[in-house]
Amino acid sequence: QSALTQPASVSGSPGQSITISCTGTSSDVGGYNYVSWYQQHPGKAPKLMIYDVSNRPSGVSNRFSGSKSGNTASLTISGLQAEDEADYYCSSYTSSSTLLVFGGGTKLTVL
Amino acid sequence: QLQLQESGSGLVKPSQTLSLTCAVSGGSISSGGYSWSWIRQPPGKGLEWIGYIYHSGSTYYNPSLKSRVTISVDRSKNQFSLKLSSVTAADTAVYYCARGVDYGDSRISHFDYWGQGTLVTVSS
Repeated sequence: QSALTQPASVSGSPGQSITISCTGTSSDVGGYNYVSWYQQHPGKAPKLMIYDVSNRPSGVSNRFSGSKSGNTASLTISGLQAEDEADYYCSSYTSSSTLLVFGGGTKLTVL
Repeated sequence: QLQLQESGSGLVKPSQTLSLTCAVSGGSISSGGYSWSWIRQPPGKGLEWIGYIYHSGSTYYNPSLKSRVTISVDRSKNQFSLKLSSVTAADTAVYYCARGVDYGDSRISHFDYWGQGTLVTVSS
C-alpha cells in the first residue's frame, strides 16, 4: 500500500478538464510544499510535470496545474488531449524515516 | 541537456547481488543542490524510491531496503552505482536513476531528470 493515496483511474473527453487527487498526512503533503507530479507513458520513464505543489518546469504545457489544500494535493489537466493519456504519480517529501513517498498512480483515459 | 543512462545486469539469480551504474552526461555529478537517486518500478506497479547519494558521498536509504542497499559515487567517471544484495523475485523491476533537486536542506523536492530505466529480472 502506497503512502500517498490516488484514485486508480480517471477519465475525460477531449477538451474537458480532470483533476487527480493525492492524499497524504500532515507529515508529508500537508506539512511541506514539496509535492511533485509525474507523467508516465507506457514503457517510458516518468516525466516531471509539476514541482513544489504548483510550479511547472520549462516546456510543460500550461494546461497542467497543481494545488494543495490541507493534506490533499491535486493535479488538474485542462483542455484534455489524446496525448495526455498516461499514468500520473504524485510524490512528496516526508518527515518520516522514509524521506520520500510516491502515490500509487492514477491511469488517465482520454475517451 | 543532462542525460542519465543506466547499465548493468538484466538477469540476477535469487540470493545474489544486483549491480547497476548510472552514467551522467551533459553536467557534473558534483554540482551543488542535487542528489542522485535510484527509483524502481515492479512490472505493472508504482514507483518506489530506493535511496540517494550526494557528490560528497553522503547517502540516505529507504528504511524498507536499507539493510540490503549500497549506493556509491565515482566522481572521476561522473557516475553513481547501486548494489542490492540478497535479491528475490520481489526485486524484479525497472530500475531508474534520477537527479533530485533540494534546496540545501537535504529534503528532495522533485526529480527533474530521469534515465530511461533498465529492467532487472530476478530468476534462477
